[in-house]
Amino acid sequence: EDQVTQSPEALRLQEGESSSLNCSYTVSGLRGLFWYRQDPGKGPEFLFTLYSAGEEKEKERLKATLTKKESFLHITAPKPEDSATYLCAVQGGVSDSGYALNFGKGTSLLVTP
Amino acid sequence: DSGVTQTPKHLITATGQRVTLRCSPRSGDLSVYWYQQSLDQGLQFLIQYYNGEERAKGNILERFSAQQFPDLHSELNLSSLELGDSALYFCASSALLGAGELFFGEGSRLTVL
Repeated sequence: EDQVTQSPEALRLQEGESSSLNCSYTVSGLRGLFWYRQDPGKGPEFLFTLYSAGEEKEKERLKATLTKKESFLHITAPKPEDSATYLCAVQGGVSDSGYALNFGKGTSLLVTP
Repeated sequence: DSGVTQTPKHLITATGQRVTLRCSPRSGDLSVYWYQQSLDQGLQFLIQYYNGEERAKGNILERFSAQQFPDLHSELNLSSLELGDSALYFCASSALLGAGELFFGEGSRLTVL
């Protein structure tokens, strides 16, 4: 069974203080690893897809990386508007759940001025 | 705006009752997913439809059912409601069957009293 574990559960940063969020996963036949951002009262919003170990994707202050067992979301010089919950999800080989994404519980990030 | 519309946004009902949640996917998207989000469980996959047909099932209770209509909108029916069914219910859509980039609606918050 696919498992996704995110750490830490919550993270508080000062504006400009860089850090990383972790996503550890076990999956049978990884098709893709996905990062989403969720603001309070909103649905998750897609950020990145990573397909294979060694791959990296960047968007503004965010960079996602992937190894065979985990993914990191690096946040460089964060701003208060980066405050949100960041969700990691994996998509494995076809199963009873089809190709549905299996989400972790998320990391709640708060960036203070 | 993701282009996915969910109604109602909020719903308060009593135990034992039945409710219907509605989802209109992004224009052109054939695949619809339903997810349940609670504080302790995170985002849990319930069921997926593709072009009117059920394609995958997750941890969906027998008291819950769904369908996708010819115009591609989808409904999630929750019956014999229990206190533990209180949660946010998200609909997501994608263009392709196995896509990992999902577009989420803003959710329907169900409170069972």
